[in-house]
Amino acid sequence: EDQVTQSPEALRLQEGESSSLNCSYTVSGLRGLFWYRQDPGKGPEFLFTLYSAGEEKEKERLKATLTKKESFLHITAPKPEDSATYLCAVRTSGSARQLTFGSGTQLTVLP
Amino acid sequence: NAGVTQTPKFQVLKTGQSMTLQCAQDMNHNSMYWYRQDPGMGLRLIYYSASEGTTDKGEVPNGYNVSRLNKREFSLRLESAAPSQTSVYFCASSKKSTGGTRYNEKLFFGSGTQLSVL
Repeated sequence: EDQVTQSPEALRLQEGESSSLNCSYTVSGLRGLFWYRQDPGKGPEFLFTLYSAGEEKEKERLKATLTKKESFLHITAPKPEDSATYLCAVRTSGSARQLTFGSGTQLTVLP
Repeated sequence: NAGVTQTPKFQVLKTGQSMTLQCAQDMNHNSMYWYRQDPGMGLRLIYYSASEGTTDKGEVPNGYNVSRLNKREFSLRLESAAPSQTSVYFCASSKKSTGGTRYNEKLFFGSGTQLSVL
């Protein structure tokens, strides 16, 4: 059974204090790892897709990396507007159309 | 740009009542999905429609039915609501993957329906 675990569940940072969120996965045949951002009362919004170990993607203050067992979302010098819940999800060769989501990391950036 | 539109935004039902959640997308996407989101459990797929005229069960389909009315619209029906169906429901859509082993399906989500079943 595919499993996706995100840590920590919640993270509070001061503005400018860089950190990383973790997404570890146990799956057979990874076909893509996805990062989404979710603001309160809204649906998730796509950030990145990673396909193979060693791959990296960047967008503004966010950088996503992938290894064979986990993915990290690095946040450099965060701002209060980066506060949100960050979700990761995987698609595997065994899951026809399904994404398996982690339960998310709730990030709060204090001014 | 409207994107994915869900109605209603909030709903309170009594146990045993029925209702239909509506979803429409204006991006000409082939695939549409219904997810539920519960605290600490992440998003779970209820049903999906890979293309107009087809529907398939996801991870948690029991107690739900769906209809892909046309390419734009995908509805979710609760025939006899139960308290266990209290959740936030999200509709999503995506372009169909175009071959190969890489699934580059970027999901576009609606803003959700918060459903309470008493």
